[in-house]
Amino acid sequence: GEDVEQSLFLSVREGDSSVINCTYTDSSSTYLYWYKQEPGAGLQLLTYIFSNMDMKQDQRLTVLLNKKDKHLSLRIADTQTGDSAIYFCAESPTGGFKTIFGAGTRLFVKA
Amino acid sequence: DTAVSQTPKYLVTQMGNDKSIKCEQNLGHDTMYWYKQDSKKFLKIMFSYNNKELIINETVPNRFSPKSPDKAHLNLHINSLELGDSAVYFCASSDDRGHTDTQYFGPGTRLTVL
Repeated sequence: GEDVEQSLFLSVREGDSSVINCTYTDSSSTYLYWYKQEPGAGLQLLTYIFSNMDMKQDQRLTVLLNKKDKHLSLRIADTQTGDSAIYFCAESPTGGFKTIFGAGTRLFVKA
Repeated sequence: DTAVSQTPKYLVTQMGNDKSIKCEQNLGHDTMYWYKQDSKKFLKIMFSYNNKELIINETVPNRFSPKSPDKAHLNLHINSLELGDSAVYFCASSDDRGHTDTQYFGPGTRLTVL
């Protein structure tokens, strides 16, 4: 079946690292994504990783993919108050016009 | 330049009414979607259209009828509105010629049914 799971809340102090975890079920997914949703706005793509990679780094963001365990994580270094948002993990199973989203992790950054 | 736009941004209406939400994308994408996000922020796909053809209909009540007059537009008409229809509705598009299925979301329409 298709399912993407992630924890619902994460609270960190400003300047610390945040790690948001996700598990997915469809091993055929070619790409896995992280989207960010700020209050009152739509989702925006933050980063994505191709399924044959195990790590991708983009400035303060590091994505780790463990394909064997179907586990994806997003690390935000030096978390800022502006990073407070909901982060959605998502997968695109091959052959479909469908992206499956997790329930979203609410990141709270304390000053 | 707004990539994916939706109107209206807010919609407050009585139970039993019929309403429409419009969506337009200027990205030249072939695929458009409607998602429903409930009060707990769960995001569920409702419909997907590719080149004006319905591809996905995720067991949505037939009170919801999407219409795609052309590739750049996907409108959502809802008949006989119910309290449970209150949510934020997001339109999105993606380019199926690209390597990824990156979704480009509109700003959302917050529907409140009284």
